Amino acid sequence: DQQVKQNSPSLSVQEGRISILNCDYTNSMFDYFLWYKKYPAEGPTFLISISSIKDKNEDGRFTVFLNKSAKHLSLHIVPSQPGDSAVYFCAAIVYQGGSEKLVFGKGTKLTVNP
Amino acid sequence: DGGITQSPKYLFRKEGQNVTLSCEQNLNHDAMYWYRQDPGQGLRLIYYSQIVNDFQKGDIAEGYSVSREKKESFPLTVTSAQKNPTAFYLCASSIGSSGGIPQYFGPGTRLTVL
Repeated sequence: DQQVKQNSPSLSVQEGRISILNCDYTNSMFDYFLWYKKYPAEGPTFLISISSIKDKNEDGRFTVFLNKSAKHLSLHIVPSQPGDSAVYFCAAIVYQGGSEKLVFGKGTKLTVNP
Repeated sequence: DGGITQSPKYLFRKEGQNVTLSCEQNLNHDAMYWYRQDPGQGLRLIYYSQIVNDFQKGDIAEGYSVSREKKESFPLTVTSAQKNPTAFYLCASSIGSSGGIPQYFGPGTRLTVL
């Protein structure tokens, strides 16, 4: 049973426009949500996180929005750049067995076209 | 330069052989993790360790073993009992395992069992 879902396997946008990556979750007990960016054959890189008590967190070109009632979060990248082309993973932190663990979605491949 | 190193980048083994993947970090992080990524899938947790000489099973621990004898090292052994060992393996670490602290990932090891 997938607790974190990224329903769009891919997204293509033009350079300079906004990229919106979506993520849905089922467990209302998640405390934090994170976004990671991953290039092929490399480890994921942490981008931005948000606590479940907030609805928005911004860091430069990256903004994450959280809608708890809809169990939905999104990552906005403005403006999009070709170097942003990568797979983006949404992840949630769940407290289990005395520690926090990450639960990942399957990822969305973003392509930013010049 | 602080970071997480995984070696080797690519590893080939014959079916039925045990193989050990290396993970070293010089970030002084207490917690370390092993994940597995398969094509089109998110990351799945194999084992994690919150502190030296302690580790717990993740979601897919069968066929794997770990040790945590030193703070900076968390090697993963893929045993012959693992039925489908070919995958991309990622090691991660974090300062702690509570409070929404992000995990930082190494570059990964791609294991191919022939």
